[in-house]
Amino acid sequence: EAEVAQSPRYKITEKSQAVAFWCDPISGHATLYWYRQILGQGPELLVQFQDESVVDDSQLPKDRFSAERLKGVDSTLKIQPAELGDSAMYLCASTHGGARDEQFFGPGTRLTVL
Amino acid sequence: GNSVTQMEGPVTLSEEAFLTINCTYTATGYPSLFWYVQYPGEGLQLLLKATKADDKGSNKGFEATYRKETTSFHLEKGSVQVSDSAVYFCALFTGANSKLTFGKGITLSVRP
Repeated sequence: EAEVAQSPRYKITEKSQAVAFWCDPISGHATLYWYRQILGQGPELLVQFQDESVVDDSQLPKDRFSAERLKGVDSTLKIQPAELGDSAMYLCASTHGGARDEQFFGPGTRLTVL
Repeated sequence: GNSVTQMEGPVTLSEEAFLTINCTYTATGYPSLFWYVQYPGEGLQLLLKATKADDKGSNKGFEATYRKETTSFHLEKGSVQVSDSAVYFCALFTGANSKLTFGKGITLSVRP
């Protein structure tokens, strides 16, 4: 069964360092999402891609966060510099067609900033 | 704006007990409603969904009915199992902003 892949699964870093997370969506899925899930909360959308284009990044803190999906397949989310408040689970999801379709989630990357 | 409110948790039940997890929503337009489940160490999985008023979503013994008059989408299961222990998220989608809005989630623990 096809799955969304994410790496690393866990990341510990010190504040002011740079971190990067990678996501490989299900093959053929044009729409890709990055979410942040703070402990005890539901996921919140950071950025949505349609193929290689950003559709929505209104909730992405652009002073320190960046996201790219250069060839419209896999994607990278970067934080530079990391802050203590960035500690959270970062989830990637993908859908085959439009936003109304079921979103398939990866296992997430748990980030701890010390 | 859109919002989803879930009952406070955690919830602890004995095996074979009846489960109800409350979910209410506020949305513009006509949202689609979802329940996602997150098992320990895994990503979210779609459990069930309903796309219009009075629709009932069902899967793995879980059910939820889209109630427009009470803006609710409560999750129920007649007899829970230990394997149902997980975090459950209610969510909505509207075409107005084309994004999923999640509730805070509730942790369910089922003891043998």
